[in-house]
Amino acid sequence: DAGVIQSPRHEVTEMGQEVTLRCKPISGHDYLFWYRQTMMRGLELLIYFNNNVPIDDSGMPEDRFSAKMPNASFSTLKIQPSEPRDSAVYFCASRATGVVNQPQHFGDGTRLSIL
Amino acid sequence: KQEVTQIPAALSVPEGENLVLNCSFTDSAIYNLQWFRQDPGKGLTSLLLIQSSQREQTSGRLNASLDKSSGRSTLYIAASQPGDSATYLCAVPETSGSRLTFGEGTQLTVNP
Repeated sequence: DAGVIQSPRHEVTEMGQEVTLRCKPISGHDYLFWYRQTMMRGLELLIYFNNNVPIDDSGMPEDRFSAKMPNASFSTLKIQPSEPRDSAVYFCASRATGVVNQPQHFGDGTRLSIL
Repeated sequence: KQEVTQIPAALSVPEGENLVLNCSFTDSAIYNLQWFRQDPGKGLTSLLLIQSSQREQTSGRLNASLDKSSGRSTLYIAASQPGDSATYLCAVPETSGSRLTFGEGTQLTVNP
């Protein structure tokens, strides 16, 4: 059973470039989450979707960040233009709806470095 | 706003020792509490999820307890092994159970 798949695993780019991170959730999961992890701030939720609809984007730092989920098996997080302070590990997670609360399952993350 | 604190920040023990990791949260109105493990360069692996109606959950050598009234959870690891070395995070959801608030983690090193 495949877990959450993220790509790329590593991304190094120059300031001002557009960055697109990709996520494939576990099949059948109807919640998808984007997190960012830094040493200074720990793990922060950026946005989450339910049935492909964005529910809470209050964690998105600014207008340079956008996320989409065009279908149940794919989501993107885009940063345009990128800045050095965006350097972090970005995680995608998914969860199923159940009679009782279900755990979130995380991908291995994308390590993003903006030079 | 929910705040989650984990103590200690780092812990180093010899192999075979039993150990306890602590997690505290400020708002006791939680739906559940989840313990994760994170290995270097990897994502988070869910270890245990305790529903708000439960007092504890066990999986192998791991046992997690939950005391909502005092805002505390503990993760007990029995007979620790070097392979247990990782960062352990606890997290609680807000409201409907979707947005998770994470603690800063406890970095565990088990020495052979």
